Formats: sequence, C-alpha cells, structure tokens
Amino acid sequence: AQSVTQLGSHVSVSEGALVLLRCNYSSSVPPYLFWYVQYPNQGLQLLLKYTTGATLVKGINGFEAEFKKSETSFHLTKPSAHMSDAAEYFCDVSEAGANSKLTFGKGITLSVRP
Amino acid sequence: NAGVTQTPKFQVLKTGQSMTLQCAQDMNHNSMYWYRQDPGMGLRLIYYSASEGTTDKGEVPNGYNVSRLNKREFSLRLESAAPSQTSVYFCASTMTDRPNTEAFFGQGTRLTVV
Repeated sequence: AQSVTQLGSHVSVSEGALVLLRCNYSSSVPPYLFWYVQYPNQGLQLLLKYTTGATLVKGINGFEAEFKKSETSFHLTKPSAHMSDAAEYFCDVSEAGANSKLTFGKGITLSVRP
Repeated sequence: NAGVTQTPKFQVLKTGQSMTLQCAQDMNHNSMYWYRQDPGMGLRLIYYSASEGTTDKGEVPNGYNVSRLNKREFSLRLESAAPSQTSVYFCASTMTDRPNTEAFFGQGTRLTVV
C-alpha cells in the first residue's frame, strides 16, 4: 500500500525567502503524486500533480515540485514566499492499477513572517 | 458546476444529540470520503465508499455511521455526539479508477459538541 511522510509539521519563513516543504512517499508501483493547499477556513484544493512525463511540475501561485524516483521524494518549492502563501499543505500519493484511497501526509503549516 | 457540497457549514450540538452531515457531488465520481481535521492531527479518514452500495471503515470510525445513498450522496451520522467529536469535517470525492486525477473537497462542516 502507498503512503506519504511529510517531514516537519510547521515551517516558518520570511517573506521573499525560499519555501521548501518536504514529502517522501512509499509505493510499490509508479506513483501519482499530488500537493494540496488549504487556506484558513476552506477545504483543500489542488496545487499541482505529477502523473507521467516531465518530473518538474509547475502549479498555481508560483509553486513547483520535482519527482525524484531515486529519492522517493516530491518536495514542494517556491522561490519567494508571499504572505498569502500562509496555509496548510498536504502531500498525497496514489497508485495505478489499485483501488486506491486518498492517503495524505499529516500536513505542514506554512507561516510567512513579514 | 458546484463540485462537492457539504451541509451544514456550522453546527453546535449538545452531548448525546444526533445529527447527519450531508455531502453531495455532481462530478460523477465513484469514490467518496469523510475526514475529520483536528489541530496537529492532519486529516484522519473516518469512512470511505469506493462505489455506490459499499462503505468501509477508515482510521477513526468509532462513533460514526455512514450511508452511500446513491452515487452522488454520502452522509455521515453521529448517533450520540460526544465532546471528542468536536472537529471540522470534510467530504471528498475522486475517480478511483483514474488514480491520476485529483480529489475534490467540500468547504467543511465545523461541529462543536458541548
């Protein structure tokens, strides 16, 4: 069965600094990988996803993530944090050929300091 | 296109009262999920339904029941509410047979049990 590990429950950065949120996955077959964002008092929405093809994936609001099979990682980055990026971020993995259910990491709360 | 609709958005219950949280999706998704979200705990799966007519327990099913009324609707029932069930509840849906597609979430139900 697939699973994800998100390292660190809370990340704090200064406005304009690099954002790096880590996600490692476990999967016995090629995975599909997702990052979701949850703004305060809202549901989750898709930020970006990797299915096949290019391993560097670009999402909304300037975020991107790189699928690294050798490291079983799918870390989320943004070159320059903005105050509006303050939110909770969830990594998810699913597998082809399986009756796969949503398997989220614990989530990472991103704070952005002025 | 409404996506996933949850009702109610807010609810206050007294201990021992019952209530049903409603969820409906209009995307013809076959899988639906109920999660609870508590500070520091991430999203914990309560129940899921892989298809109409089937339901399965998730990580924290005690104190809850579900009903997959039809392909569109998946309800969550608290038979005798307890303060420990104070939480934010989210419904989600996906196409299980297309694991490369993302999940869609409702806006959440904020439940307080006093």
